[in-house]
Amino acid sequence: GQQVQQSPASLVLQEGENAELQCNFSTSLNSMQWFYQRPEGSLVSLFYNPSGTKQSGRLTSTTVIKERRSSLHISSSQITDSGTYLCAMEPGTGYQNFYFGKGTSLTVIP
Amino acid sequence: DAGVTQTPRHEVAEKGQTIILKCEPVSGHNDLFWYRQTKIQGLELLSYFRSKSLMEDGGAFKDRFKAEMLNSSFSTLKIQPTEPKDSAVYLCASSRDRGDTQYFGPGTRLLVL
Repeated sequence: GQQVQQSPASLVLQEGENAELQCNFSTSLNSMQWFYQRPEGSLVSLFYNPSGTKQSGRLTSTTVIKERRSSLHISSSQITDSGTYLCAMEPGTGYQNFYFGKGTSLTVIP
Repeated sequence: DAGVTQTPRHEVAEKGQTIILKCEPVSGHNDLFWYRQTKIQGLELLSYFRSKSLMEDGGAFKDRFKAEMLNSSFSTLKIQPTEPKDSAVYLCASSRDRGDTQYFGPGTRLLVL
């Protein structure tokens, strides 16, 4: 079954608005990561966040292991934030694999 | 520092062929990852190396996919024999250590006819 559920599947924001992207996991997790894929396809690693909260600029990731969820908050969105945001989880039974969500497609308009 | 390098950038293969994709990680990085991305399945981990040792061999991908890391600066992904369903973008990434930022290569776009 689907191990990782991301929501929303797509999102349109006006420049300056905030966004909250969600990732829910069907099994216990050891850790999780957030990635950003630019519209032309290149991938960037955003956060490795086993638990708790991490911040980098306008991005904040919060993982609550007990609740099997993680969120990515984007504040004061910019047009250059447009792209796809992917989360991936490492199962709690050890390093067996990464399971990726289908992604949230974000479009920021002027 | 150079980023992650992947060659070729594009590959077209006939069904049944053997193809080899290449990756050079960032110098000094200990972890290397091979991923596959398709529109239907999304992003999937194929292989993971730590200090040249294979840590994860991708489960379902085992039979026709073989990743190797002969030295710390070079890895290959062999697909043998190729099938049309292997058409995808193959991505290589490296990181200094587990939990560190992964740096991705530009990918190899494979089309199997």
